Amino acid sequence: KQEVTQIPAALSVPEGENLVLNCSFTDSAIYNLQWFRQDPGKGLTSLLLIQSSQREQTSGRLNASLDKSSGRSTLYIAASQPGDSATYLCAVSSAGTASKLTFGTGTRLQVTL
Amino acid sequence: DGGITQSPKYLFRKEGQNVTLSCEQNLNHDAMYWYRQDPGQGLRLIYYSQIVNDFQKGDIAEGYSVSREKKESFPLTVTSAQKNPTAFYLCASSTTVPHGYTFGSGTRLTVV
Repeated sequence: KQEVTQIPAALSVPEGENLVLNCSFTDSAIYNLQWFRQDPGKGLTSLLLIQSSQREQTSGRLNASLDKSSGRSTLYIAASQPGDSATYLCAVSSAGTASKLTFGTGTRLQVTL
Repeated sequence: DGGITQSPKYLFRKEGQNVTLSCEQNLNHDAMYWYRQDPGQGLRLIYYSQIVNDFQKGDIAEGYSVSREKKESFPLTVTSAQKNPTAFYLCASSTTVPHGYTFGSGTRLTVV
């Protein structure tokens, strides 16, 4: 059974810092991996999607990498801003059950002035 | 704009009542999903549907029921058999070969 772990559970950084969020998964037979952002009381917003054949994806200040063999993904946020404060969720779609996402419990990020 | 609409945003249920959460999408996605989110836990899959008139149980289907009569709609009924229904419910959709998921804004259900 696929399990997804996100470390750290919470993170507080001053504005302008570069930061890395970590995601690990137990079964490397994945179809894709997706990073989401969730603001308090809101739904999920998709940030980046990495297919199993890809190593990384970039969107603006965000860069996500995937190392399928080691079961790891990182989300890199450059030059953090207070508006980046949110919970970041990692989810994997496993090969064979490609329609189903398995989520981590998230990293709650606070960017302070 | 294409997207997913969940309603209502807040819902209160009395003990013993069934309630239905609405989810509508205009993305022309074949697959739709219902997830439950509890504090400190990851999202857990309740039910999913890859095609009209067909759906499968997820990891925590007990006490819930769904229907998929139209491609655009995937309502979730929380029955009185669900003993701990207070949670945040999220609906999502994707293409059949998933190239990414789109989520709705959620419904917060509270038992009173």
